[in-house]
Amino acid sequence: NAGVMQNPRHLVRRRGQEARLRCSPMKGHSHVYWYRQLPEEGLKFMVYLQKENIIDESGMPKERFSAEFPKEGPSILRIQQVVRGDSAAYFCASSPPTLYGYNEQFFGPGTRLTVL
Amino acid sequence: AQTVTQSQPEMSVQEAETVTLSCTYDTSENNYYLFWYKQPPSRQMILVIRQEAYKQQNATENRFSVNFQKAAKSFSLKISDSQLGDTAMYFCAAFSKAAGNKLTFGGGTRVLVKP
Repeated sequence: NAGVMQNPRHLVRRRGQEARLRCSPMKGHSHVYWYRQLPEEGLKFMVYLQKENIIDESGMPKERFSAEFPKEGPSILRIQQVVRGDSAAYFCASSPPTLYGYNEQFFGPGTRLTVL
Repeated sequence: AQTVTQSQPEMSVQEAETVTLSCTYDTSENNYYLFWYKQPPSRQMILVIRQEAYKQQNATENRFSVNFQKAAKSFSLKISDSQLGDTAMYFCAAFSKAAGNKLTFGGGTRVLVKP
């Protein structure tokens, strides 16, 4: 069973360009989470998605950021008109569904975004 | 809202010795989970240990153990017999379903194991 996959691993963009980060969850996992790690900081929650639904986007910046998890294919985190402050590591995690308690979130290797 | 605080930016320890990392948290929930994650230079997030708040017994995983003080909202990690491969960033994290299906992380502690 392959783990959570993210691509690209490294992404370089110039200011004003768009960045698309992809996340393929583990097989059987229908929940996806995106976290951002700024340099020298801990991970910060951005958004929680289930197939075709955004469940919680309370950590997403109000502008330029969007996320989707379509019925088919990977989850996409999209950053429009990138600025230098968007430079960070972006981690995706996935988990199976749960009604109560906690199901472990398995993390991908991250995408390191550098904005020139 | 949940908050997690790690007050030690960096710790160093001699190989084979013991180091303890501090973590305090705040939550209004009764049912929650606490974790320690390791992030080596590869940046991969690796789950080290997990504690359910309703369990009084402290969790242990080989050389890693926690001291969970629920009333004090404290959750420290002890690494025994430190190895060079333990050199990494360590993050404390909290989860509560009632507070939203998300992990809340502390700012991290960098651990350097010296030969």
